[in-house]
Amino acid sequence: DTEVTQTPKHLVMGMTNKKSLKCEQHMGHRAMYWYKQKAKKPPELMFVYSYEKLSINESVPSRFSPECPNSSLLNLHLHALQPEDSALYLCASSPGDESSYNEQFFGPGTRLTVL
Amino acid sequence: KNEVEQSPQNLTAQEGEFITINCSYSVGISALHWLQQHPGGGIVSLFMLSSGKKKHGRLIATINIQEKHSSLHITASHPRDSAVYICAVEKGAQKLVFGQGTRLTINP
Repeated sequence: DTEVTQTPKHLVMGMTNKKSLKCEQHMGHRAMYWYKQKAKKPPELMFVYSYEKLSINESVPSRFSPECPNSSLLNLHLHALQPEDSALYLCASSPGDESSYNEQFFGPGTRLTVL
Repeated sequence: KNEVEQSPQNLTAQEGEFITINCSYSVGISALHWLQQHPGGGIVSLFMLSSGKKKHGRLIATINIQEKHSSLHITASHPRDSAVYICAVEKGAQKLVFGQGTRLTINP
């Protein structure tokens, strides 16, 4: 299995809602990433988990809360979002061994619309 | 100035043409990645390079570490190659810095 899966594919939520995005991989990768991508822009790194511990937080607002329950699963909890948070949210994983290559495998993304 | 610059930003060509997309970077890197993104979102990793040249089917990627430059070539281009091609450099473990992308359109 060389796939990263993300659910849901699309999500529409109000500014007072609480929702979660889910990402899963079964490649034995130990690093997992959340990216945000606005239209016609490159992805922006949000968070990195390495061996289930948060290793990078790119000064993301607290209304985004990541969670890594186990090495295969990564969640992004959303609360009190703003319309400008509407974007494609991409998950990725990589082997995570800092001494070797780190090709990242991307999921298909969740397209989020905040009303 | 962006740490990773791609050119051109947009490229339209006819089917069968040889395509070159360039990437220049200004920082020390451990590796350079070429990624492909089709409309609809999914990103596919095409190559990861730290030196020399790699080939996969009709795609060739080269990197010159001294000149801080990489190129992605597509031979015998096809409409299904139409996508955004993104160059990304790995500055430290796990952190990619992305170029702005090159939007490629191949017309039949």
